[in-house]
Amino acid sequence: DAGITQSPRHKVTETGTPVTLRCHQTENHRYMYWYRQDPGHGLRLIHYSYGVKDTDKGEVSDGYSVSRSKTEDFLLTLESATSSQTSVYFCAIRSGSGVNEQFFGPGTRLTVL
Amino acid sequence: DAKTTQPPSMDCAEGRAANLPCNHSTISGNEYVYWYRQIHSQGPQYIIHGLKNNETNEMASLIITEDRKSSTLILPHATLRDTAVYYCIVLNRFGNEKLTFGTGTRLTIIP
Repeated sequence: DAGITQSPRHKVTETGTPVTLRCHQTENHRYMYWYRQDPGHGLRLIHYSYGVKDTDKGEVSDGYSVSRSKTEDFLLTLESATSSQTSVYFCAIRSGSGVNEQFFGPGTRLTVL
Repeated sequence: DAKTTQPPSMDCAEGRAANLPCNHSTISGNEYVYWYRQIHSQGPQYIIHGLKNNETNEMASLIITEDRKSSTLILPHATLRDTAVYYCIVLNRFGNEKLTFGTGTRLTIIP
C-alpha cells in the first residue's frame, strides 16, 4: 500500500469553527488531491496540488482552502465549517511520471453539528 | 454526462470468476480504461488499467474489446474480501484529469 496517512480519522466540530485536515505521504509523489465523498454524489474533487506551493481548485472548492509547504504534506482547511461540509474526506497521491493511477488514504470522517 | 455505463449490482459465488462489464462507447483514442474499487468505509483502491490490449496483474484481468467500446474486469477467484463497489473510468493517462467516479457496480460475493 502507498504510504498515505490522514489525520484526524474522525472529527466532530461545530458550525463556524475552523478545521484543518492533514494528508501525509512518504512516497515523494508530486501530485496530491483532496476529495469528498457523499451519498448520491460519488467522489468529488475539492483541490489538488502539482507541487510544493502549486495548487488548483477542483469542482467543489468553495469554503475550502489548501496549502502545501512540503512535498509530503497537503493540508485542507475549512475556514468556517458548515453542516453541508459533513462528509468523508479522502486524500490521494500519484506520481508525476505521466501515470494516472491514484492511491488513496484511509479517509477522514468529519461531522459538523 | 457519464462516460461509462455499469450495471448497478452483481452477485458472484465465492471461488468463482467475477466478470464486471463496462460500456464506454464514446472513448477517444488517447483515453485509457481504469478500474478502481472501494470496499466499505475504505478509500478507493486502484486495480488495473489498459488502452487496447488485455492486461493482467496480481489482482485482476482486464479485457478490452477490439473496438474499445466496452471492457470486462475479471476477478479470477473471487473471495469475500472482494465484496466492494467497482468503478470503471476512462481518462487520459498522461493528463492531470481528476478521477470522476460514477455509481459503479456493487459486487457481492456470496459464500
